Amino acid sequence: TQLLEQSPQFLSIQEGENLTVYCNSSSVFSSLQWYRQEPGEGPVLLVTVVTGGEVKKLKRLTFQFGDARKDSSLHITAAQPGDTGLYLCAGGGDYKLSFGAGTTVTVRA
Amino acid sequence: DAGVIQSPRHEVTEMGQEVTLRCKPISGHDYLFWYRQTMMRGLELLIYFNNNVPIDDSGMPEDRFSAKMPNASFSTLKIQPSEPRDSAVYFCASSLIGGPMGTQYFGPGTRLTVL
Repeated sequence: TQLLEQSPQFLSIQEGENLTVYCNSSSVFSSLQWYRQEPGEGPVLLVTVVTGGEVKKLKRLTFQFGDARKDSSLHITAAQPGDTGLYLCAGGGDYKLSFGAGTTVTVRA
Repeated sequence: DAGVIQSPRHEVTEMGQEVTLRCKPISGHDYLFWYRQTMMRGLELLIYFNNNVPIDDSGMPEDRFSAKMPNASFSTLKIQPSEPRDSAVYFCASSLIGGPMGTQYFGPGTRLTVL
């Protein structure tokens, strides 16, 4: 059973468009992390958010942690083909991470 | 600086055979994690170690799976006997600190196919 639900499961957009990926849970997490995974490689950490309502920006990527620390979103502005990959959210509790199933993002040139 | 190293990168074996996956964490990292990734179940934590000691193995699917960390620079995940449903990509990750603020660095994974 996935504690974290990600939507949509797949997203295909044209270069230059914006996109948003969602991560929702019924559980409260002490932190939430976003990873990007490219084919044949392991996930790579993009950001960690810990405070309810927190917003972090990483170039064209904007991450938001919900006020109740149960949900998060990732927004990409002016997507580029290099943004293509599997985006995973992971909720932190104790010393373990629980991962969502991921959103596969494809940005067409 | 080398990241997490896993071997082999690909493993194809027949049902009933023993499989051993290997991991070398980043030097100085005190935490080591083994994950399994499948299309159906996503990325699942199998077991993690702190200072070479297994802390939580509640994710290990059954007794056919075992993991060891004999020293700070080496860990193994063994499946004996292997079954077709064990086919997946197995990742090893390490981190300097534990807890929700720790950054886990993942290896490239071992793609296991059990025929």
